[in-house]
Amino acid sequence: KQEVTQIPAALSVPEGENLVLNCSFTDSAIYNLQWFRQDPGKGLTSLLLIQSSQREQTSGRLNASLDKSSGRSTLYIAASQPGDSATYLCAVTGANNLFFGTGTRLTVIP
Amino acid sequence: DAGVIQSPRHEVTEMGQEVTLRCKPISGHNSLFWYRQTMMRGLELLIYFNNNVPIDDSGMPEDRFSAKMPNASFSTLKIQPSEPRDSAVYFCASSLALSGLFGDRGYEQYFGPGTRLTVT
Repeated sequence: KQEVTQIPAALSVPEGENLVLNCSFTDSAIYNLQWFRQDPGKGLTSLLLIQSSQREQTSGRLNASLDKSSGRSTLYIAASQPGDSATYLCAVTGANNLFFGTGTRLTVIP
Repeated sequence: DAGVIQSPRHEVTEMGQEVTLRCKPISGHNSLFWYRQTMMRGLELLIYFNNNVPIDDSGMPEDRFSAKMPNASFSTLKIQPSEPRDSAVYFCASSLALSGLFGDRGYEQYFGPGTRLTVT
């Protein structure tokens, strides 16, 4: 069964810092990988979707990379802002399921 | 578009009662997914539909859970009878997938705000 791990579980950084969130998965047979943001008590907001044939995707200050062979993805956030504070989840799509990591709770300190 | 709509947002019920959660997917999307989120188990896929047809319900925990999609704009997740361990946040998501295969060039999933269910 696919296992998705996100490290660290929590991260605090001062405003303006660049940061990287990590996601690793055990089965490289994936169709795509998606990064989500979840605010407390809210649903999930899709940030970036990377197809298995792609290596990275960019949206504004966010850049996500995918190395399928090593089972890793990173989400890079440039010039972090307090509004970026949330839990970030990665999810990999297999043939019959979507497997979520447990998330990284990010706090950006003003 | 209003996005994925779920109702109710909060539900508190007593053990043994029937609970019905509702979802309206984004117009034009052909796939719909029900998830459950708990602290212990994180996010789990319960069931998904493609073109209103249930494709995989292997994530449904027990026979007490059932889901229907009578048309392209509405789905329900029912728990009967409910138990305290069913307490969780239930999310509905939709996407525009090219085929019934879950991961076949699957498009982004868009999530609703969730229904927080508490069973006492």
